[in-house]
Order: sequence, then structure tokens, then C-alpha cells
Amino acid sequence: QSALTQPPSASGSPGQSVTISCTGTSIDVGGYNYVSWYQQYPGKAPKLVIFEVTKRPSGVPDRFSGSKSGNTASLTVSGLQAEDEADYYCSSYAGNNNFYVFGTGTKVTVL
Amino acid sequence: QVQLRESGPGLLKPSQTLSLTCTVAGGSISSGSYYWSWIRQPAGKGLEWVGRFYTSGSINYNPSLKSRVSISADTSKNQFSLTLNSLTAADTALYYCARVANFAFDIWGQGAMVTVSS
Repeated sequence: QSALTQPPSASGSPGQSVTISCTGTSIDVGGYNYVSWYQQYPGKAPKLVIFEVTKRPSGVPDRFSGSKSGNTASLTVSGLQAEDEADYYCSSYAGNNNFYVFGTGTKVTVL
Repeated sequence: QVQLRESGPGLLKPSQTLSLTCTVAGGSISSGSYYWSWIRQPAGKGLEWVGRFYTSGSINYNPSLKSRVSISADTSKNQFSLTLNSLTAADTALYYCARVANFAFDIWGQGAMVTVSS
């Protein structure tokens, strides 16, 4: 039950796009469309921004989008804004073993 | 709207047992619509799923913690609890409770800091 692999950091200038990858295996990311993404500011609880690979909760801007190909899921933040600077974590449900696994986390910096 | 709040002792010694409670306001944990979960985060590190329960009695744990962890619920108080025994310094972390909807953690508590130190 290893953590999902994310790049430690990503960056972009305001208005640009940044994409974060999340690589797992066939028993988690690749096996189920239950990948979710979380935004976390320092000292705050994580906030759900994407669920079921591509869906956005109410109130999350459409600048946030998700996708998946094989064992790798991705989160794209378009039209970067200063407020998007945060840590981002992916998560996947692994149904066969009934557990969840999180990604290693990516720090997004808005230049 | 639904709010979650963790409570419990902040400082414990190695080998002791941790007991944390999550109090849910604005919604019933026994409604049958959601799972409820515990997640922890060591300082400066990533998130780790601890376990989840459903009011039908279905409970699942992180395999890496399974021998030391248990989750239970008190529906009369609308609370669910985490027990983790044989504590070590590696269990020092911020512990969150969260609601699970659509296989995602959609509502989180503010977290409870637990430090294990002699």
C-alpha cells in the first residue's frame, strides 16, 4: 500500500496552467474511477476540489479539472491565480482491499 | 451545514493508547448516506488514511495500522471515535476526521494535534 507518486513541486505564472500528475497502480488509480484531489493551505484542513476523477464539488471554480489515463491521474489548474498557491494531494480508493491511499503531495507555486 | 470537530488529549507517552472523538453537527452519522473516516498528517508531511466506518457496521482500516487501530461510533451522541494503541513517536501527527461521499473526503474537521513523547 505505497503512497501514490506526485511531483514534489510545480509552478506557473498568473494566468498560465499547471498540471500535477498522480501515479498509482492497477489496484488503485488504474482500477477505479475514484480519484479525488485536495487543496491544502498551511495550517488548514484539506479541501476537496475534484472527485470521481473529473467532477467538481459545488463552489470549486471550473479552472480546476481532472483526468485519468491508465494508472496516472492528473489535476490541471488553468488561469493560475495567487490564491491557487497551496499543497495538492491526490487520493484513490482501492476497492479490492477496501482502503484509500493518498499521494505524496505537490506544492504549487504561483510565480 | 455539516461540521466535524475532533477532540482528545494532545500529549501521550510511548506505549499508551490514543482515543480521539469526532463530533458531527448538522447531520446524522446514522443516516446511512455516508462513510466516516479518520486521516492523519505528520507535521510537514503528507496525508495518511487511517480507517473508515459505515453505520451498518462495516469498518475498514489501513493495513499498516490494522493491528493497533479501531473505530467505533456512538450514534446517540452523533460521534465516532478512533483508538490507536501501542503508540510510538511515529504516531505524532495532526488527526482529522472526515465525511466520505462518492469515495472522496468532502467535509473535514479542523484537526487535533497528537504528540507522542516521553
